[in-house]
Amino acid sequence: GAVVSQHPSWVICKSGTSVKIECRSLDFQATTMFWYRQFPKQSLMLMATSNEGSKATYEQGVEKDKFLINHASLTLSTLTVTSAHPEDSSFYICSATNSNEQFFGPGTRLTVL
Amino acid sequence: KQEVTQIPAALSVPEGENLVLNCSFTDSAIYNLQWFRQDPGKGLTSLLLIQSSQREQTSGRLNASLDKSSGRSTLYIAASQPGDSATYLCAVTYGGSQGNLIFGKGTKLSVKP
Repeated sequence: GAVVSQHPSWVICKSGTSVKIECRSLDFQATTMFWYRQFPKQSLMLMATSNEGSKATYEQGVEKDKFLINHASLTLSTLTVTSAHPEDSSFYICSATNSNEQFFGPGTRLTVL
Repeated sequence: KQEVTQIPAALSVPEGENLVLNCSFTDSAIYNLQWFRQDPGKGLTSLLLIQSSQREQTSGRLNASLDKSSGRSTLYIAASQPGDSATYLCAVTYGGSQGNLIFGKGTKLSVKP
């Protein structure tokens, strides 16, 4: 099956810094990528939908100026958490679709101190 | 290796039928299990979250059960409707609240009017 990678798999940062997470489709072109996050003991929640070459669509309650999403190519989408705070600590997972099937990345564990 | 398997891969039923989707996982030491719905071209929608200490969860016409010892979960949909047509994903979390998600490949459900 198709493979989606995420980098880094985990990151620890200080409050106030920005963190970039990459999501790559390794062997297919992804027209759409999705970003999710999961807080402890909660279900995975969709943050935004990212289409190549256009602005991302954010879910209600997700700050677009805080979570910057760039989908500049058909194989790469990035999520930048700007001025991260401890409440942003979460598990972030991306997925990529070739319109027929959706493939998930392994996730990135973000811890903000 | 920790794997999640969903059976069947696809299911087509007439409107009004009750149906059961199956999920099995190889390592019974899960932290929790989740069922998601995915519409074509869309991100995931969380349906039900079952903690490892729970046996079932209910939401409307949906009921999910968990038998951790046998590594199985079922999603029961009562009185199916055409609007239920979607792909249903099962995912398990290992390693506590900081663990990673492992998804099944999903069951594609089609409810015909």
